[in-house]
Amino acid sequence: DQQVKQNSPSLSVQEGRISILNCDYTNSMFDYFLWYKKYPAEGPTFLISISSIKDKNEDGRFTVFLNKSAKHLSLHIVPSQPGDSAVYFCAASAMSAGNKLVFGAGTILRVKS
Amino acid sequence: EPEVTQTPSHQVTQMGQEVILRCVPISNHLYFYWYRQILGQKVEFLVSFYNNEISEKSEIFDDQFSVERPDGSNFTLKIRSTKLEDSAMYFCASSNLAFRSEKLFFGSGTQLSVL
Repeated sequence: DQQVKQNSPSLSVQEGRISILNCDYTNSMFDYFLWYKKYPAEGPTFLISISSIKDKNEDGRFTVFLNKSAKHLSLHIVPSQPGDSAVYFCAASAMSAGNKLVFGAGTILRVKS
Repeated sequence: EPEVTQTPSHQVTQMGQEVILRCVPISNHLYFYWYRQILGQKVEFLVSFYNNEISEKSEIFDDQFSVERPDGSNFTLKIRSTKLEDSAMYFCASSNLAFRSEKLFFGSGTQLSVL
């Protein structure tokens, strides 16, 4: 079951530069998309979300872009900081499925100082 | 900041044994969930629980699994007879809203190792 795909297992970025994490989905019923961040030995923590009626949502250094026609979303972090180094999970949900989240496999982001 | 608490952080058990994973959700939350992540794989939904009953469960959540809210604060996941493939990190989550996924708070997880 590959409904949500994060094709890049890892990404390495220099401090101060932009980090772009990508995610693709296949299920047209998904109408809400989220990014979670996970540090070792901790649970996923919510970062930013976007509804399918929008194409962009911004929160400080974090911006999520949604391209519904391509079934693609991306997370931009700018400027990247060493503390951003973590695993980033893309997740999707459908209103009809309540809070049930379908996760991608995650991308490990390393921000080098 | 309120948080979801899970105990134990690590659990080692023999195949065929019963295990109970414990969670204390955030106190005013009404919706409870278990997810798991097998090493190297995705975080997967197991079950959701509301109003003292299961709202939804995945294919993974077979008859060997059960959930319970035995009192006003705890939410437990029981695996009746563990198998090697049950080895995973199990995450409890809770929310006070049914349809706002960003309001889902996860615990730190219980790493279950079945030998």
